Amino acid sequence: GNSVTQMEGPVTLSEEAFLTINCTYTATGYPSLFWYVQYPGEGLQLLLKATKADDKGSNKGFEATYRKETTSFHLEKGSVQVSDSAVYFCALVNQGGKLIFGQGTELSVKP
Amino acid sequence: DGGITQSPKYLFRKEGQNVTLSCEQNLNHDAMYWYRQDPGQGLRLIYYSQIVNDFQKGDIAEGYSVSREKKESFPLTVTSAQKNPTAFYLCASSTHRQGSHQETQYFGPGTRLLVL
Repeated sequence: GNSVTQMEGPVTLSEEAFLTINCTYTATGYPSLFWYVQYPGEGLQLLLKATKADDKGSNKGFEATYRKETTSFHLEKGSVQVSDSAVYFCALVNQGGKLIFGQGTELSVKP
Repeated sequence: DGGITQSPKYLFRKEGQNVTLSCEQNLNHDAMYWYRQDPGQGLRLIYYSQIVNDFQKGDIAEGYSVSREKKESFPLTVTSAQKNPTAFYLCASSTHRQGSHQETQYFGPGTRLLVL
């Protein structure tokens, strides 16, 4: 079946550090891949997406590349800020249109 | 401004009571969804609707009911049969094209349900 696995949190970084949050997936066919961000007490916001292999999604300094050969979609940012503290969800949409989430990774950035 | 609104932000339920969570969107999206989020966990799909007057059960539909009488609205009722309703409930919507897998789901701000 289809599934998404993310690295466990919490991830704690100092401001301006490099961020990587690993995400791997299992899917039949060619899913679209997403990263969503959830700030405390709020709903989910779309951060970036990629719809085919080798696509790179980017937004607000975050990037992720759709790697079919490793079934991965790792989230990266070169220099994190305190305001990036949130929970990050990796997700895929399969050909049935169902959105399948990873369990989320909490990021805490300290000044 | 286009978007998804959910109300109320907080909702309290007494034992044996049914409560209804509101979700409205003005994005002209065909599809709407309800998810449940428990602390430290991902989202689980409760119900979804791809078109007016039609809806489908998700992974955890027991104890919940929905209606889709208008394109813009997809209310969720948490019934007394749901024994553990305390959670954060998120509504989402997307365009829908049959057989496509590229539609992005957009989320509302959520409703936190607490049991008294």
